[in-house]
Amino acid sequence: GAGVSQSPSNKVTEKGKDVELRCDPISGHTALYWYRQSLGQGLEFLIYFQGNSAPDKSGLPSDRFSAERTGGSVSTLTIQRTQQEDSAVYLCASIPYRRGRLSEQFFGPGTRLTVL
Amino acid sequence: TQLLEQSPQFLSIQEGENLTVYCNSSSVFSSLQWYRQEPGEGPVLLVTVVTGGEVKKLKRLTFQFGDARKDSSLHITAAQPGDTGLYLCAGDGEKLTFGTGTRLTIIP
Repeated sequence: GAGVSQSPSNKVTEKGKDVELRCDPISGHTALYWYRQSLGQGLEFLIYFQGNSAPDKSGLPSDRFSAERTGGSVSTLTIQRTQQEDSAVYLCASIPYRRGRLSEQFFGPGTRLTVL
Repeated sequence: TQLLEQSPQFLSIQEGENLTVYCNSSSVFSSLQWYRQEPGEGPVLLVTVVTGGEVKKLKRLTFQFGDARKDSSLHITAAQPGDTGLYLCAGDGEKLTFGTGTRLTIIP
């Protein structure tokens, strides 16, 4: 079956431009995370969607970052007025459901964002 | 804020050697996961440990959860080039928190 997909795989943009990153989770997975990973280091939590609940936005680094999840499926992470420090790999992960917090996260391949 | 520190940050060893990487925190976690990430891909789950003192083995990989559920270790026996990658621990406490990562390179 299809895994988590993300698009584009690479995005190069100029400072000040807006970008949209897309995540297609595994069908039927109710929860979705966005993370940021810089220079092959650890993952920085950005935002978490679970079913119809209000998303946990506590990891978004500034109000230039926003995300939505339409119809409980596809999610879009938007970065407005990009800055060079936004350059990173943005990873999306979906999980089937939140059962005692032990669920495996299924990650997409990521979008590598470069802000010039 | 719950933090997970991994050590070493980088490790490069010869094929056939043994190694241990560590994941430490001052916070207690209800469970802890280990993931491996290869270049250009997302992390892939290796194991989940949930009980203090628990030991799990996955072929040549041995995972241990500390008695106090604040730390974990990953031991690899007879490392192979296919073990190369970024190893990430993730703890489930107030929220899921990923560690800083250990980049492992196995030299043939």
